[in-house]
Parts: sequence; structure tokens; C-alpha cells
Amino acid sequence: AQSVSQHNHHVILSEAASLELGCNYSYGGTVNLFWYVQYPGQHLQLLLKYFSGDPLVKGIKGFEAEFIKSKFSFNLRKPSVQWSDTAEYFCAVNAVGRDDKIIFGKGTRLHILP
Amino acid sequence: EPEVTQTPSHQVTQMGQEVILRCVPISNHLYFYWYRQILGQKVEFLVSFYNNEISEKSEIFDDQFSVERPDGSNFTLKIRSTKLEDSAMYFCASVPGTDSPLHFGNGTRLTVT
Repeated sequence: AQSVSQHNHHVILSEAASLELGCNYSYGGTVNLFWYVQYPGQHLQLLLKYFSGDPLVKGIKGFEAEFIKSKFSFNLRKPSVQWSDTAEYFCAVNAVGRDDKIIFGKGTRLHILP
Repeated sequence: EPEVTQTPSHQVTQMGQEVILRCVPISNHLYFYWYRQILGQKVEFLVSFYNNEISEKSEIFDDQFSVERPDGSNFTLKIRSTKLEDSAMYFCASVPGTDSPLHFGNGTRLTVT
């Protein structure tokens, strides 16, 4: 069965620092990949998604992610974080043609110091 | 932009009681899901629903759980006899078709005492 690993459980950064959150998945076939964000007290929101095409995808709020098939990775990046980026970030994967559900990683809690 | 709506936002119940969590998916969506998130843990898949039947369920979704789409707009999750460990945030989601990102509701926080 497919699984998703997020390497960092808790990340603390200062404002303006660069961010990279790791995500690896285990599934040998075609995948759809997602990053969701959950701000404190709010519901899950889609940040960005990859289905096909350009492996570098851009999402909302200046986030981007790069799909590297050979590494089974889909890392999330932002060149300069803001205090308002404090949230929990979830990587998720859907195995195309296998089933219709999306599997989530355990999440990375990001805390930005003002 | 249309949204998935969930009610109530917070439900407190006693152990052993039945609860029904309600969701109104986006109107033209065809696939519906329930996920849950125990405090401090990851988002877990419970069940997917398509064409008026369960298409997949996880091992968490045991005989105490059931889902229903009673009237073509609501999508409900029933827990027959709640346990303390059912305390979690329950998220409903819908998609127009497969290979689409999930649209999540705001969630229902279930507290079992």
C-alpha cells in the first residue's frame, strides 16, 4: 500500500528564512501529489497539486513544490517565509488507477518567529 | 466559490451514545469522503462513497461506523456507540471526479466524555 513520509515533524524558522519541507511517498506507479495546509483553528486547504506536466508546480501564497520521480519526492519550498505561514503542512498522495482515496503524511508543524 | 459545509462544528457526547455528523458536499461532486484527525496526529482516511455505496473503507471504519446519503444533498457519518478514542476532528470532503483535489469542509470536532 502507498504511504507518505514527512521528514520533519516540527520546524521553527525566523521570518524571511527559506523553507523546504520534505515529502517522500512509496508507490511505483503514477501518482497525483498534493500539499495541504491547516492554519490554527481552521480546516485543511489545498496549497498546490501535481497531476502531470512540469514537475515544478506553483501554489498559493508563494509556495512551490518539485516532483522528482526518481527520488519519489515532492518537497515543498518557499524562498522567504512570513509569520502568517505558521501552520501545519500535510503532504498527500493518490495512486492513480489504484484507488480513489488520498493518503496523508503525518504533517509538519511550522512555527515562524516574528 | 461553493464550499463543503459540515454541522455541527463541535459535538460533545457521552461514551456509548450515537452521533451523526452531517456534511453537505459541493452540489456537482460525485465522490465523497470522511477523514478524521485525532489531536496531534495525522489525517486518516475513513471511507469513500460513490454512486450511493461505499467504494472503500479503512480498518478504522468498523461496524460502529456507517455512512449515508439520505436525500441527495446530505452525506452523514454515524457512529453507533461512541468510544473515548473516537474523539477527533472529522472532515468531510468531496470531489467532482477522481484525480481531483479534495475539497474539505471545516470539520466537526467530536468530544466523547
